[in-house]
Amino acid sequence: QSVLTQPPSVSGAPGQRVSISCTGSSSNIGAGHDVHWYQQLPGTAPKLLIYVNSNRPSGVPDRFSGSKSGTSASLAISGLQAEDEADYYCQSYDSSLSGVVFGGGTKLTVL
Amino acid sequence: QVQLQESGPGLVKPSETLSLTCTVSGGSITNYYWSWIRQPPGRGLEWIGYIYYSGSTNYNPSLKSRVSISVDTSKNLFSLKLSSVTAADTAVYYCARPMYRGTYGDFDIWGQGTMVTVSS
Repeated sequence: QSVLTQPPSVSGAPGQRVSISCTGSSSNIGAGHDVHWYQQLPGTAPKLLIYVNSNRPSGVPDRFSGSKSGTSASLAISGLQAEDEADYYCQSYDSSLSGVVFGGGTKLTVL
Repeated sequence: QVQLQESGPGLVKPSETLSLTCTVSGGSITNYYWSWIRQPPGRGLEWIGYIYYSGSTNYNPSLKSRVSISVDTSKNLFSLKLSSVTAADTAVYYCARPMYRGTYGDFDIWGQGTMVTVSS
């Protein structure tokens, strides 16, 4: 069981907006540690999508956005495209474990 | 730009030690925390541990008793050793670097990953 909880799957039609939640606790997200998001296409290494809660690396479309509040964070994808179909992971740091923690991952299906 | 390349045996026998190396090219290994992350087939990502270029380490508590990460700054590489492996250690193993010096996460550079199977 992952320290950060994500829904196993979400889906949406092309053009729609979807949101993926990442729920933590007072020892990680709630302690003020930053949340980062990754996109993983099948058979490839994860790619950094959002860093420090809401920042996009160069080259990531502005259709992707991140937010954080309390003990949770969220990744939103607007204007869904077929190429967005992938697994998405949140990541933070946990003070109690003194280490990096990942969410269990969410599979996004574009209908 | 900086690139990472994992290398090591793709098959390890149960109870033996898994050994992998991550070679850093296109940049220096100094001033960063370097991590190992693994992903069992069909499952999520699991952080194994990190090492600072100076040699200080931090490991996932669930693996701490079996893990050792070392660094060789002269060769610009760092290595992973995982002892007493079982089938549960079968996974794709990635090495990764954070975006900023001095941070532990926000991994913006990843190796391609190497599949390690534990089987007799």
